[in-house]
This record gives sequence, structure tokens and C-alpha cells, in this order.
Amino acid sequence: QKEVEQNSGPLSVPEGAIASLNCTYSDRGSQSFFWYRQYSGKSPELIMFIYSNGDKEDGRFTAQLNKASQYVSLLIRDSQPSDSATYLCAVGGSQGNLIFGKGTKLSVKP
Amino acid sequence: EAQVTQNPRYLITVTGKKLTVTCSQNMNHEYMSWYRQDPGLGLRQIYYSMNVEVTDKGDVPEGYKVSRKEKRNFPLILESPSPNQTSLYFCASSLSRTSGRSIGELFFGEGSRLTVL
Repeated sequence: QKEVEQNSGPLSVPEGAIASLNCTYSDRGSQSFFWYRQYSGKSPELIMFIYSNGDKEDGRFTAQLNKASQYVSLLIRDSQPSDSATYLCAVGGSQGNLIFGKGTKLSVKP
Repeated sequence: EAQVTQNPRYLITVTGKKLTVTCSQNMNHEYMSWYRQDPGLGLRQIYYSMNVEVTDKGDVPEGYKVSRKEKRNFPLILESPSPNQTSLYFCASSLSRTSGRSIGELFFGEGSRLTVL
């Protein structure tokens, strides 16, 4: 069974700090990696995707991928209370399917 | 406006009464998928479709049916709902790999909260 693991949290950071969210996956053949944000009572929204080893930056968000360690992370710089949400890691498996982690709840305190 | 539309958004029904949750997208996406989300279990895939007339089981297909007769529509059918199908359901769509994009770049509908008594 292919798995995607995330710390469920809650992860609490003060406003203005860097929030670091982590995800590990079991399928070594995985090729695509995604971060979704889900506000309470809302649907998931894609915020970042990364396909190659290294870092990818988009505004305050940076996705980091290390395929050798089977590890993907999301950094949120200058965290804001509006970033408080659950962050879902999703991994595109070698079978062509997409597997979601259970999510990490982030709370940014003013 | 690009969107995935699900109906109904909320439904309370009784065991055994057949129901259909509709899903429609206006982005000409090839890939469509149904997920259910339960506390502590995360998002689990029920069925997906890579294109018209092509459907495949996800991780939790038991008790569900789907069809893909048109590109834009992907209804989820519960032939005989049971209380363990009480859940929040999401439909999602994306361009397929053949379009140079990954199926993981999903657009989600707003969700359908189903309660089976």
C-alpha cells in the first residue's frame, strides 16, 4: 500500500514566522508532488506543485523536494493568520494515481 | 468562470434509498475523480475517469458507481446507501498527462455533505 505521511499537528507558529510543513512518501517511483490548502468547511485548493528535485518558490511559499529521501516540504514565509488551514500533501504515484496525506493543521497566532 | 459544480451540496437520506450526486466541469478537463473525506482518514479516492467512457476504481469503490458519458459530467451513484457512506464528498477535475499537465493539478468542487440515516 503506497502511503503519504504527514504530521497531523496542530502546528502553531506566531505571525511573521516561517511555517515548515513536511511530508514523506513510500512510492519511490513517484514523479509529481502537490500541496493543497483546505480551510475549514471548504474544498482543497492547489497552492504548489513540484516535479523536480530542489526548491520551487512562489511568493511566500517554497516547495522543496528530495526524491532520494522521499521527502517533500512546504515553507510559508511571513506567516499570516489567513494561512491558518489544513495543508494536504499529495503524491502522484508510479501507477498514475494520486495519493493524499491526511493533512497538517496549521495555526498562525496573531 | 472555471468551476466544478456538485449537486446537491447537502443531503440527508435513509438507508437503501438510491441517490445520485452530480458533478459537472466547464474547463474541458479530461480527468475527473470522486473523493470522500472523513475525520482522521483524510481524502480517499472512490473512482476516477481518464476520459469519456473510461472509469477506474480508486481506493474505496465499494457501494458506489460512476459513469462518464460526456466529458463534462461525472455523476456518483449510491445504489443502496448505508450509514457508513455518511461523509463529505468532493468531485475534482484536471487536465490529463497527455496534455502535458499532471492529473494532480486538481480543481475541486465545493463538496457534498451526505448523511445516511
